[in-house]
Amino acid sequence: QKEVEQDPGPLSVPEGAIVSLNCTYSNSAFQYFMWYRQYSRKGPELLMYTYSSGNKEDGRFTAQVDKSSKYISLFIRDSQPSDSATYLCAIRTDSWGKLQFGAGTQVVVTP
Amino acid sequence: NAGVTQTPKFQVLKTGQSMTLQCAQDMNHNSMYWYRQDPGMGLRLIYYSASEGTTDKGEVPNGYNVSRLNKREFSLRLESAAPSQTSVYFCASIPGGAGANVLTFGAGSRLTVL
Repeated sequence: QKEVEQDPGPLSVPEGAIVSLNCTYSNSAFQYFMWYRQYSRKGPELLMYTYSSGNKEDGRFTAQVDKSSKYISLFIRDSQPSDSATYLCAIRTDSWGKLQFGAGTQVVVTP
Repeated sequence: NAGVTQTPKFQVLKTGQSMTLQCAQDMNHNSMYWYRQDPGMGLRLIYYSASEGTTDKGEVPNGYNVSRLNKREFSLRLESAAPSQTSVYFCASIPGGAGANVLTFGAGSRLTVL
């Protein structure tokens, strides 16, 4: 079993819809949780990170962590075609900054 | 622009050939990483260098070697390429300290082994 599980999709939504993405993880010692966005043929770029249970908002993006359930989510409000990308959850596993990534979910927002 | 630069962007090799992927960062970051990305597998850590002069194995190190040439540069070598090493390779770096969660990636190197 992988330490971080993520549904690969693809997830297709109409423009303006809410996109809901999630990951589960197995190690309760994990402390830092991140979401990366990756456009086709580009490197991943950090969207958001958090280290506590609860919600964190940044514009149209909300990251949610539930440590008791070992579940993390990313919500994208008012989705735009420019949000079409692969979204990867990542969890920091040690003090050296090593990250364990989910497989990534491909999101397609149709006009 | 500041960031992580990888070369080459594309490479085709025959089984058994060797090659080196180069990575350089100009952000004065301490730690550097090599990941590979395969469909359905996400990003998997090959090797990392927590600081200049140190390197350690990640999740999938077999068939690879690395060199942390100086603080800026971290290279990945395939001594005898195999088709299973066909992948997209990403170099990344992290500043350390409070910024240790902000991993900055290069644009990737797409390798095909025939």
